[in-house]
Amino acid sequence: GQQLNQSPQSMFIQEGEDVSMNCTSSSIFNTWLWYKQDPGEGPVLLIALYKAGELTSNGRLTAQFGITRKDSFLNISASIPSDVGIYFCAGLTSGGSNYKLTFGKGTLLTVNP
Amino acid sequence: SQTIHQWPATLVQPVGSPLSLECTVEGTSNPNLYWYRQAAGRGLQLLFYSVGIGQISSEVPQNLSASRPQDRQFILSSKKLLLSDSGFYLCASTQGGPGAFFGQGTRLTVV
Repeated sequence: GQQLNQSPQSMFIQEGEDVSMNCTSSSIFNTWLWYKQDPGEGPVLLIALYKAGELTSNGRLTAQFGITRKDSFLNISASIPSDVGIYFCAGLTSGGSNYKLTFGKGTLLTVNP
Repeated sequence: SQTIHQWPATLVQPVGSPLSLECTVEGTSNPNLYWYRQAAGRGLQLLFYSVGIGQISSEVPQNLSASRPQDRQFILSSKKLLLSDSGFYLCASTQGGPGAFFGQGTRLTVV
């Protein structure tokens, strides 16, 4: 089945630093998504990417849909303590009978004030 | 926008007991629905997904089952719970873009 390799698994950074995480896959996806999950909550969508090469920003967050459609990265600039949480990438394959949303294993981000 | 309702929020069940978790969706029609399990606060494991009423695809063979009796209702069940069924269960819905909406999750502890 489809798998997403997300890295790094965890990051410990100081407030104000920039963060970068990425996902790669052996499969092609039509859509790449990035989510953030706070403890005890469901993941919340941060950024959605729909076209290969697309670069999208949401405040301090920037994400790109890789040209090969098999990878994506998320950057967070000038991190703040509330950025703490688990970040997930997800790939969506649609068309025909296949509508699976596949998630990476997550990147646990800790921000030290 | 879509809203996903999941209940209960927390559940403690003994081994061997049955399970029924319900998920309902508001604000859209004919969504694709998903059940995920998250163990130890990390990766999301896809358990089931459904593209329509009565249509269920299973990703992981186990003692869980899913049903979709109505367009915006998705139910996760088990006849006999195992200790390994403990985890955080999330229901999600997709309908076009952008991305998937998640419910608040059910924390299941099997004792």
